[in-house]
Amino acid sequence: QKEVEQNSGPLSVPEGAIASLNCTYSDRGSQSFFWYRQYSGKSPELIMFIYSNGDKEDGRFTAQLNKASQYVSLLIRDSQPSDSATYLCAVLTGGSNYKLTFGKGTLLTVNP
Amino acid sequence: NAGVTQTPKFQVLKTGQSMTLQCAQDMNHNSMYWYRQDPGMGLRLIYYSASEGTTDKGEVPNGYNVSRLNKREFSLRLESAAPSQTSVYFCASSEQGVTQYFGPGTRLLVL
Repeated sequence: QKEVEQNSGPLSVPEGAIASLNCTYSDRGSQSFFWYRQYSGKSPELIMFIYSNGDKEDGRFTAQLNKASQYVSLLIRDSQPSDSATYLCAVLTGGSNYKLTFGKGTLLTVNP
Repeated sequence: NAGVTQTPKFQVLKTGQSMTLQCAQDMNHNSMYWYRQDPGMGLRLIYYSASEGTTDKGEVPNGYNVSRLNKREFSLRLESAAPSQTSVYFCASSEQGVTQYFGPGTRLLVL
């Protein structure tokens, strides 16, 4: 069974700090990796995706991928209270062009 | 451009009743999906449609049926609702292998 694992949290960081969110996956054939943010009572919205090993930066967000270790992470620099949400890691598993497997999410709280 | 829309937003059913959740997208995407989200369980795929005219089971299809009415619309039907189907249901759409965009969700309570 293809699995995506995340620490459930909650992860609590002070405002202005770096928040680090981690995700591991079991399928070595996985091709694409996505980070979604979900505010309480709302639907998931895409933050970033990454396909290649290494880092990808977009504003305050950096996604890191290490396929050898089957590990993907999301760093949020200068964390703001508005970043408080659940962050979902999703993996496009090998052999499927259509289906994402989601982790259960990590709840992040940024304290003013 | 409304993106992905879902109706209804909230529904209460009694055990054994049936209902259909509606989903439509205006992004001309080929693929559409139905998920359920339960506390501590994350998002689980119920059914998906890779393209118009095709549907496939996901991780938790039992108790549900789907219809891909046309390229825009993908409905989810509960024939005989059970309390275990109390959940938040999300519809999503995408081009193959690319970002999935989610609708606002339907909150279903089965008594």
